[in-house]
This record gives sequence, structure tokens and C-alpha cells, in this order.
Amino acid sequence: GQNIDQPTEMTATEGAIVQINCTYQTSGFNGLFWYQQHAGEAPTFLSYNVLDGLEEKGRFSSFLSRSKGYSYLLLKELQMKDSASYLCAVRVPSGQNFVFGPGTRLSVLP
Amino acid sequence: DSGVTQTPKHLITATGQRVTLRCSPRSGDLSVYWYQQSLDQGLQFLIQYYNGEERAKGNILERFSAQQFPDLHSELNLSSLELGDSALYFCASSARTTNEKLFFGSGTQLSVL
Repeated sequence: GQNIDQPTEMTATEGAIVQINCTYQTSGFNGLFWYQQHAGEAPTFLSYNVLDGLEEKGRFSSFLSRSKGYSYLLLKELQMKDSASYLCAVRVPSGQNFVFGPGTRLSVLP
Repeated sequence: DSGVTQTPKHLITATGQRVTLRCSPRSGDLSVYWYQQSLDQGLQFLIQYYNGEERAKGNILERFSAQQFPDLHSELNLSSLELGDSALYFCASSARTTNEKLFFGSGTQLSVL
């Protein structure tokens, strides 16, 4: 079976740093993806990890530990526009399919 | 613009009816995925096609069916619609290689009244 867990909601203050965790148990692993989704809009790609370690991309960083089935997305210097849902997804070997977590709704307050 | 085109953007219909959602993948992408997202829910995988063939199936109801045509566009058919089928339906495409991400269309908002 496939299972991905994320916190349902998080709140942070403008200018702060927030870490969104994701744990996964999947049948195989071909990479972990983070997507951002504003309400009513399509998800957009943020980051990709396939090897253990940290990937940095501007204000966003993502970390992966395959042995622990764990990833996090780190958002720095939060802005109001970062208020959105953040989706963790694992690509599995079966059909190169993507399994999505439930998403974490982040609210950035002034 | 992701390059993935979905039509229509909005669809309002009645219970018991049948609708067809259409998706054109990004140029060069052979894989098409369909996802359902209900209010405050995560993305639920429905079905995946690769170059015209079904590759993976998720929790897709028997009332739902899909296909991918030779020109690689895909259609998702929803029949005997129920109120609970109201959701945002996304199509996404990707290249075959393992490190290629999904590109999502803007979605079709289906309202069943």
C-alpha cells in the first residue's frame, strides 16, 4: 500500500521560517516532489529529491532521508503569497505513478 | 502556463447525467494522469495512460472511464453522476524519465446539482 502523511495545517508569521514535514511508506521510491497549490488553482512544482540530503532553491529548500521515509520543505523569509497548500508526492515504480499526500495548508499572518 | 490544456474549465450538470472532460498533454509528454480533488481533500489518483495504454489505476469508480487517443489527448468520462462527484478534476502530464515532474492543467470544476 501507499501512505503519505503531512500535518493538516500550519500557521507562521511573515518573515519567519517554517518547516513542513512529510513521512511516507510506499511500494518503491523513484523520487519525492513538493508542490504548491493555491486555493482553486493547479499545483505547481517546487522541488525534487531523489538522493538523501538538502536541495536549496532560493527561499525554498527540501530535505530527504530515504532510510527514514522522511522529507521536509523549508520556507524562509515567508511572504503573504506563500499562504497555500503544500503537497508532498512520491513517484513510485508502478507505472511511474505519483502518490500525493493530503497536503499541508499554510497560513502566513502579518 | 504549464502547457497542459484542460477543457472545459467549469461544468454544471444534474445527477444521473454523463460528462466528458478533455485534456491535451504538454508537447512531447506521453504520460497522462487524472486526479480528483474534492473540497479540502488531497489529490486522489484516478488513472494513468502512457502512449495510449492504461498504465496504472487508482480508486476510480466503475462509473468513470478514460482513454488516451493516438494524438495523445485524453478524455475522462463520468457517468450516472452523483452529488458526491462534484470536485476539481485535474489532468497532468510528464515525460517518461523518473526525474521528470508532473505538469498540471488548470482543472475542470465539476458541479453536480
